[in-house]
Amino acid sequence: KAGVTQTPRYLIKTRGQQVTLSCSPISGHRSVSWYQQTPGQGLQFLFEYFSETQRNKGNFPGRFSGRQFSNSRSEMNVSTLELGDSALYLCASSLDLPGQGYYGYTFGSGTRLTVV
Amino acid sequence: EDKVVQSPLSLVVHEGDTVTLNCSYEVTNFRSLLWYKQEKKAPTFLFMLTSSGIEKKSGRLSSILDKKELFSILNITATQTGDSAVYLCAVVLTNTGNQFYFGTGTSLTVIP
Repeated sequence: KAGVTQTPRYLIKTRGQQVTLSCSPISGHRSVSWYQQTPGQGLQFLFEYFSETQRNKGNFPGRFSGRQFSNSRSEMNVSTLELGDSALYLCASSLDLPGQGYYGYTFGSGTRLTVV
Repeated sequence: EDKVVQSPLSLVVHEGDTVTLNCSYEVTNFRSLLWYKQEKKAPTFLFMLTSSGIEKKSGRLSSILDKKELFSILNITATQTGDSAVYLCAVVLTNTGNQFYFGTGTSLTVIP
């Protein structure tokens, strides 16, 4: 079965621009979470979407936003890009079964964003 | 503030050595601890630990959780060059859905 698909794989943007990243979860997975990974900070939680609703949000500024569509695909948007936003952005999807919400939690290969 | 700390930050060993990676946590509302292996991009799942003292094993890898002392270890025996990767530990809480709190990882290099 297909895994979690993230597009694009690589992206180079200029400071001040905005960017949209896409994540297609494993078929049947309804929960999609986004993480930012940098060498200094490791993996940090951005937000989680379930049934088109944001269920949890990490400690990131409002420039970071996301949404989920009815087919569970999710997008995240970063506006007014800063140099510090350069990172690997990972999404993960899961079945979200009752009592074992993160069952089958699977990561995509990520989008490498470079801001110049 | 919830915190997950991994040690050591990096490790270089020879093939055949045994390594022990550590993960300690200070969180409220602990639910589970997970270990992942990250070679290039996507972290891949290794173990999920919920109960204290029960060892999980998969081939040469094993892991155990101590909920009293708030830590977990990941053991790799007879290491191979293919074990070279970053090993990530993550904690899930009971009240934050699928939000994972990750440590910064341990970078393991196995040299022939």
